[in-house]
Amino acid sequence: EVQLVQSGAEVKKPGESLKISCKGSGYSFTTYWIGWVRQMPGKGLEWMGIIQPGDSDIRYSPSFKGQVTISADKSLSTAYLQWSSLKASDTGMYYCARARRPYGDLECLQYWGQGTLVTVSS
Amino acid sequence: EIVLTQSPGTLSLSPGERATLSCRASQSVSSSYLAWYQQKPGQAPRLLIYGASSRATGIPDRFSGSGSGTDFTLTISRLEPEDFAVYYCQQYGSSPSFFGQGTKLEIK
Repeated sequence: EVQLVQSGAEVKKPGESLKISCKGSGYSFTTYWIGWVRQMPGKGLEWMGIIQPGDSDIRYSPSFKGQVTISADKSLSTAYLQWSSLKASDTGMYYCARARRPYGDLECLQYWGQGTLVTVSS
Repeated sequence: EIVLTQSPGTLSLSPGERATLSCRASQSVSSSYLAWYQQKPGQAPRLLIYGASSRATGIPDRFSGSGSGTDFTLTISRLEPEDFAVYYCQQYGSSPSFFGQGTKLEIK
């Protein structure tokens, strides 16, 4: 069974750093791209970027490039999303999701993690 | 960038009725790489349709997708109580991928 299990909810202050995780199981982790999607409170889905865990090839949305860093550790079957300096506007739910088909970055997202709620408040 | 516009913003229907949701792209979507997702409150999105018209695994056949180029449609033939949710389209034929802003399907 394909599963993506994300790290737990975080409460941080503006200016702090944060790294959240997404652990994949039940499939070949290096074969499928993993994407990150933001959902701000009461709002829609925003595609942030996608990573190939095998070689760490990454595609960022222009809206998020330079604001976050996507990475992966294939030895741990885990993808990451990190911030170096959080802002209140980073508050939201963050989902990781696996591509439907192997190898391609141009793919829809079939398997989703449960989401990680990030709250940034002073 | 290909921007997606969904309409209507909110659709009020009764169980048993037919729902038609629209997704329009600012440019042609390559190879009909258009997907539809369903999201219920407090849950992660669920993939319903990929490639504009193919149902994902386990999706009931009352859900169907159609369209090509810049105009796409999700149709739910007979609404069940569990179908009332928010629906998003996504284009994944070019990078960056984009989601539409969503259509909320509510019980009338």
